[in-house]
Amino acid sequence: GNSVTQMEGPVTLSEEAFLTINCTYTATGYPSLFWYVQYPGEGLQLLLKATKADDKGSNKGFEATYRKETTSFHLEKGSVQVSDSAVYFCAFDQTGANNLFFGTGTRLTVIP
Amino acid sequence: DGGITQSPKYLFRKEGQNVTLSCEQNLNHDAMYWYRQDPGQGLRLIYYSHIVNDFQKGDIAEGYSVSREKKESFPLTVTSAQKNPTAFYLCASSTGQGSETQYFGPGTRLLVL
Repeated sequence: GNSVTQMEGPVTLSEEAFLTINCTYTATGYPSLFWYVQYPGEGLQLLLKATKADDKGSNKGFEATYRKETTSFHLEKGSVQVSDSAVYFCAFDQTGANNLFFGTGTRLTVIP
Repeated sequence: DGGITQSPKYLFRKEGQNVTLSCEQNLNHDAMYWYRQDPGQGLRLIYYSHIVNDFQKGDIAEGYSVSREKKESFPLTVTSAQKNPTAFYLCASSTGQGSETQYFGPGTRLLVL
C-alpha cells in the first residue's frame, strides 16, 4: 500500500552543520512529493515540493530531489540555523487520490 | 490576508460530550481536510471534502462527523463515541486540482477533562 518512511528522530545538530533527513515512499504512478515543516505549536507549512522525476525543490536553503529510481526525496541543507528547529514531514499525493500521505515526522533541534 | 483559521486554539471535552472544532478558509479552495496528529504518528486523515455538500471518510473517521454546507467552512465534531480524542487537530485546504499544495491552519489542541 501507499506509505512514507522517514528517518526517525530526534536529530540534534550544531549551528552551521549539514542536514540530511531521509525519505522514501511507496506509491503507484507518478506522485508529487512534498516537504512540510511544523514549528512549535503551529500548523504545517509547505517547505518545498517536486512534481516529476529529477525535479529539485528548494526553499530557504533547503533542497530535495525527486529520485524515482530509488523512490526517495531526501531533504538537505548545507548550514542549519537555530531557527530551523522544527518537525519536518515528508509527504506525497497518490495519483488520482487527491489526498496526501504523510511520514511520521522528524524533529530537528539546532543548538548554538 | 488569505488563509485558514481554526478555533478554538485549546478545547476541553468532558466525558460523554460532543465538541465541534471550527475551520474557515478564505482562499476560495474547493477541497478541505481534517487531520489528527498524535506524537510519533504523523498526520492521519479523518475526513475530507472536495466540494460543497459532499465529504468522504478518511483513515480514522470513527467517532467523528463533519459537514460542508458552505465552501469556506468545514467543521469537525468529535462525538462521545471517540474514546481517545486527546490530540492536535489540523485543518487544511487545497484547490482540489492534481498535485496541489495543501495549506494548513494553526491547529486545535483537544484535551479531555
